[in-house]
Amino acid sequence: DGGITQSPKYLFRKEGQNVTLSCEQNLNHDAMYWYRQDPGQGLRLIYYSQIVNDFQKGDIAEGYSVSREKKESFPLTVTSAQKNPTAFYLCASSGIAGGSSNEQFFGPGTRLTVL
Amino acid sequence: AQSVTQPDIHITVSEGASLELRCNYSYGATPYLFWYVQSPGQGLQLLLKYFSGDTLVQGIKGFEAEFKRSQSSFNLRKPSVHWSDAAEYFCAVGGSARQLTFGSGTQLTVLP
Repeated sequence: DGGITQSPKYLFRKEGQNVTLSCEQNLNHDAMYWYRQDPGQGLRLIYYSQIVNDFQKGDIAEGYSVSREKKESFPLTVTSAQKNPTAFYLCASSGIAGGSSNEQFFGPGTRLTVL
Repeated sequence: AQSVTQPDIHITVSEGASLELRCNYSYGATPYLFWYVQSPGQGLQLLLKYFSGDTLVQGIKGFEAEFKRSQSSFNLRKPSVHWSDAAEYFCAVGGSARQLTFGSGTQLTVLP
């Protein structure tokens, strides 16, 4: 089955530690996205990547970093510089080269809790 | 800049009643519009989308939405709600850059 996988589902981190969230897709999509979701605030864009080896900051990139070395993978690192990292993180992907749709497909999410 | 407003934070309906969730958007050109649904602790699932053409779009699970350019709205409707429809619903607007802007969501509670 084609889709997006995120791991782990639950993640606990001590203050001051970096942590990396995994996102993998087998939809052959060009673009991938990371969102942060907090209660009552909808989804806020952290980073996005339209193509391998290229990515751009979203609305709330401070304290986060990403890489896009492979088309299928877009890991997100939450660094110790992120002041309030406890949240639900969603990865998404969209677009096949030459297509017109920008519909995004979402993974199941990772809930990060800072202890 | 594009934006989306979902005026209702929480809506409660009885099972079998009709449903309308409101969505207003701001976008400089003809937008791409989406409705997604999210169950607790899960990712988002696409219900329906509008790109062009017929302004009344049909989606999965019996949902439909109507694009009204004059009102900058894209309201979601369902004639008869089922208990399994209880979830959070997000409206989103996008453009050619493939980025989406999401509303803050409407939580739907269904009473038996």
